[in-house]
Amino acid sequence: SQQGEEDPQALSIQEGENATMNCSYKTSINNLQWYRQNSGRGLVHLILIRSNEREKHSGRLRVTLDTSKKSSSLLITASRAADTASYFCATDEGQGAQKLVFGQGTRLTINP
Amino acid sequence: DAGITQSPRHKVTETGTPVTLRCHQTENHRYMYWYRQDPGHGLRLIHYSYGVKDTDKGEVSDGYSVSRSKTEDFLLTLESATSSQTSVYFCAISEWDGEQFFGPGTRLTVL
Repeated sequence: SQQGEEDPQALSIQEGENATMNCSYKTSINNLQWYRQNSGRGLVHLILIRSNEREKHSGRLRVTLDTSKKSSSLLITASRAADTASYFCATDEGQGAQKLVFGQGTRLTINP
Repeated sequence: DAGITQSPRHKVTETGTPVTLRCHQTENHRYMYWYRQDPGHGLRLIHYSYGVKDTDKGEVSDGYSVSRSKTEDFLLTLESATSSQTSVYFCAISEWDGEQFFGPGTRLTVL
């Protein structure tokens, strides 16, 4: 089953602009995570937000979670060329943090 | 890559042959996972392990088996490879907090 769905599927912006990606999911969750994947590489964990949290920051990243709408957003501020990657949300479907269900990802391209 | 290695990194095999992929960790994490990544499907969980000799199925476990005889090693076996199992396979590890650390991936092609 596909739990998370990211929107948009692809996003292209100029360096320095902000990038916003959205994730929707279907069932109750304990937490939601965001990962980044550079081309040809494994996924790298960015941030985890728990179901009782509404917003979390990490450097230039800001994640929000709205459990009533079953949605989350990832904001990257002041984008850089190195931010070019695919970004995935992952949820646990309330089954415990060990079993994650990933969305299909947003492909972000930062143009110099 | 957080002390996780996968071998081989690339493999080409023929339909019907057995294939074993290996994941090795040096972090002593309890949980280990195997995912496959395909265009249009994101990452899908195949099997995971919550301890030595303790494993469970994921979303797409048909045609795959796993074994974990040591904390540091998690093996994924395709008993009889099919073309539909052509994919990129990722191993991951975690402790209790949910954050998973991923290996570099294995690209498998079944002809």
